[in-house]
Amino acid sequence: KAGVTQTPRYLIKTRGQQVTLSCSPISGHRSVSWYQQTPGQGLQFLFEYFSETQRNKGNFPGRFSGRQFSNSRSEMNVSTLELGDSALYLCASRFAPSDRLGQYFGPGTRLTVT
Amino acid sequence: GEDVEQSLFLSVREGDSSVINCTYTDSSSTYLYWYKQEPGAGLQLLTYIFSNMDMKQDQRLTVLLNKKDKHLSLRIADTQTGDSAIYFCAEISGGSYIPTFGRGTSLIVHP
Repeated sequence: KAGVTQTPRYLIKTRGQQVTLSCSPISGHRSVSWYQQTPGQGLQFLFEYFSETQRNKGNFPGRFSGRQFSNSRSEMNVSTLELGDSALYLCASRFAPSDRLGQYFGPGTRLTVT
Repeated sequence: GEDVEQSLFLSVREGDSSVINCTYTDSSSTYLYWYKQEPGAGLQLLTYIFSNMDMKQDQRLTVLLNKKDKHLSLRIADTQTGDSAIYFCAEISGGSYIPTFGRGTSLIVHP
């Protein structure tokens, strides 16, 4: 069974630009969560999507948004990029939001904002 | 809110046992997890333990849970250089479905 895939793996953007990251969950998993990982803040939860609807949301500004498609694939968008948005963005999937048996993470997208 | 604490670094010799510790504050934690992150990779789920269990063993990994002290540990027997990674403790409390992660413990295995 293929794991969680994320594209692109690396991205360099300039302040003020916007970026879209993509995530394909494990087959059969319908819940996709996004996390931001930085050395200073650790792993922080952004949001979770299930059945094309945002089900949970972390404490991030509205510049961070996402969506989910009918095939469970998800995209995350960051608008008006700031230097502080430089991070590893991780996507994780599970069967459903109520599934507490653990999440399965992709390799991440390394975003650098200059 | 919930808090999960881990020490930042642990250095062990190859072949020795490693014990990575974690403390959490939420007494309603129901599930606790250990994840491993290798350089340039995402997090890999190693194991989880339900709060009504004291211990769980899976090959070289042993998880111990002391619910009274809110303390979770991961023991890796016969530690190998391939075990060098960052290990994250995480928990889900009773009313939530979103895990709270610790800052991670960097395990360094030297020959």
